[in-house]
Amino acid sequence: RKEVEQDPGPFNVPEGATVAFNCTYSNSASQSFFWYRQDCRKEPKLLMSVYSSGNEDGRFTAQLNRASQYISLLIRDSKLSDSATYLCAAGSNYQLIWGAGTKLIIKP
Amino acid sequence: EPEVTQTPSHQVTQMGQEVILRCVPISNHLYFYWYRQILGQKVEFLVSFYNNEISEKSEIFDDQFSVERPDGSNFTLKIRSTKLEDSAMYFCASSSGAQETQYFGPGTRLLVL
Repeated sequence: RKEVEQDPGPFNVPEGATVAFNCTYSNSASQSFFWYRQDCRKEPKLLMSVYSSGNEDGRFTAQLNRASQYISLLIRDSKLSDSATYLCAAGSNYQLIWGAGTKLIIKP
Repeated sequence: EPEVTQTPSHQVTQMGQEVILRCVPISNHLYFYWYRQILGQKVEFLVSFYNNEISEKSEIFDDQFSVERPDGSNFTLKIRSTKLEDSAMYFCASSSGAQETQYFGPGTRLLVL
């Protein structure tokens, strides 16, 4: 069974802090990896793709560890607007398998 | 910026009725997907579609479900005889390649009474 696991949280974090999420996937054949954010009752929106070499986009850094089958997301200098649920997804064979999401709450 | 659109935004139906959910994928995308998300639960893959045929489908996508690309722009999900447990948000997505980023529509919230 293909699974993607995430800590559901919530993570309550003060504004300006750094927060990190991990996500593990069980299907070693997964070929593509993504972090999406989902606001309440909205569609998932792509935050970033995750590459083997790691990638950074502003305050966000994503890493992939194929040996241990996990991906991570680091958010630096967190803003109130970062409050959302963060979903990781692992892709193979024309489908994405999703984690249940990690809820992040940024407090002023 | 091109986006995936879905109609209707909300649909209420009686158990046993047929519903058709509609999606217009991003115009130059070739891969299309349907997902559902029951309230408070994870996003679940239903089906992927490429070159006018189903590429992959999940256990959820049983004989009650079907997909179609009736013309060059629309991509539909039909549920033949709805059940109470079909109540969920249904998301359509599209991508330019099989392993490329999938872009999601705003979803159709289906409520089966």
